Amino acid sequence: AQSVTQLGSHVSVSEGALVLLRCNYSSSVPPYLFWYVQYPNQGLQLLLKYTSAATLVKGINDFEAEFKKSETSFHLTKPSAHMSDAAEYFCAVSGFVGAQKLVFGQGTRLTINP
Amino acid sequence: ETGVTQTPRHLVMGMTNKKSLKCEQHLGHNAMYWYKQSAKKPLELMFVYSLEERVENNSVPSRFSPECPNSSHLFLHLHTLQPEDSALYLCASSQAGGPSKAFFGQGTRLTVV
Repeated sequence: AQSVTQLGSHVSVSEGALVLLRCNYSSSVPPYLFWYVQYPNQGLQLLLKYTSAATLVKGINDFEAEFKKSETSFHLTKPSAHMSDAAEYFCAVSGFVGAQKLVFGQGTRLTINP
Repeated sequence: ETGVTQTPRHLVMGMTNKKSLKCEQHLGHNAMYWYKQSAKKPLELMFVYSLEERVENNSVPSRFSPECPNSSHLFLHLHTLQPEDSALYLCASSQAGGPSKAFFGQGTRLTVV
């Protein structure tokens, strides 16, 4: 069984500040991990994914995430927040076998203060 | 534009109506999914089709009936819904059998009155 916990349903940062969105996972098989972003009235867009290669994964819009097996974490970071980063962010986990079934966290709403 | 198109974008229906949601992808993917996104809850996987066969049904009530006539199209047939079924319904597609990324449509915002 797999599950994802996102710590903090709402995170607020100032423009230009570091963004840190936390994700912890539970998986009985080696996990594949994903971060998706959802802008208002839109579907989900993939930011980045971890597929057992490099533990530090770089994605679009200067986001990156680091897979830490010992901590079962996959936190998302961005060095400098932009106003356009305001959105909801979802961490997800999937297994390898069969169709890719994503199990999502509850989501974290990111607000950027000017 | 993600390559996954959902219609309609918005739907209001009465509890006695029958309606269908449509999803179409031309990405060459062979797996398609329906997710439900409700306020304050994680995205819930409803159905998975892989190679046009349903491989998962996550205890979804029978008032939701999926159909996958070919690898490019996925439908969700709705009848006698309840107000608590109001949500954003998201379709996604991917390549089955590996860690490929899923592409999502923009969703259908369903309101049951």
